Amino acid sequence: GENVEQHPSTLSVQEGDSAVIKCTYSDSASNYFPWYKQELGKRPQLIIDIRSNVGEKKDQRIAVTLNKTAKHFSLHITETQPEDSAVYFCAASIDTDKLIFGTGTRLQVFP
Amino acid sequence: SAVISQKPSRDICQRGTSLTIQCQVDSQVTMMFWYRQQPGQSLTLIATANQGSEATYESGFVIDKFPISRPNLTFSTLTVSNMSPEDSSIYLCSVEAGQGASRYFGPGTRLLVL
Repeated sequence: GENVEQHPSTLSVQEGDSAVIKCTYSDSASNYFPWYKQELGKRPQLIIDIRSNVGEKKDQRIAVTLNKTAKHFSLHITETQPEDSAVYFCAASIDTDKLIFGTGTRLQVFP
Repeated sequence: SAVISQKPSRDICQRGTSLTIQCQVDSQVTMMFWYRQQPGQSLTLIATANQGSEATYESGFVIDKFPISRPNLTFSTLTVSNMSPEDSSIYLCSVEAGQGASRYFGPGTRLLVL
């Protein structure tokens, strides 16, 4: 079955700097790759997702890149702000099948 | 996106009892997924619930412990049976919705078993 690895487990950046979180997946048939932000006590919030027919997707300060050959995808946050501090999860699935999650990255943005 | 609600939002239960968690979606969805998130951990899929058929359980989860109902395309329940303190977790339902068929999560049910 699918296995998703995520790193780093913790990431500290200065406000205004960029943050990059990387994930690798094992099943080459996976074609859906969402990223979630989870603040303490809240639900995982979908912030961006990408399908395997595109290599990159951007939404304001957030971008996701996908390398199907290497089976890895990354989340890029530019101009980080303190409110970006949260736990971020990557996930992968085949079509509408079950989503398998990475282990999470705790991002801290210091003012 | 989809508006997903769960009941209860939290509960404290005694060991040996059962709790049924409800998940309601504001639109019809084919599949509903139930996840568990233990404290400080990632999300683990418990089962996939399709309307009109039995739920499909992941390795480590069984129907006797986590029976699921899916009576229609907007509603599902997950029961945590014969609870023990190890069942203390957040339980979340998830659906695929929207034009982009993205995955969204409900607010979760925070369960503490004493």
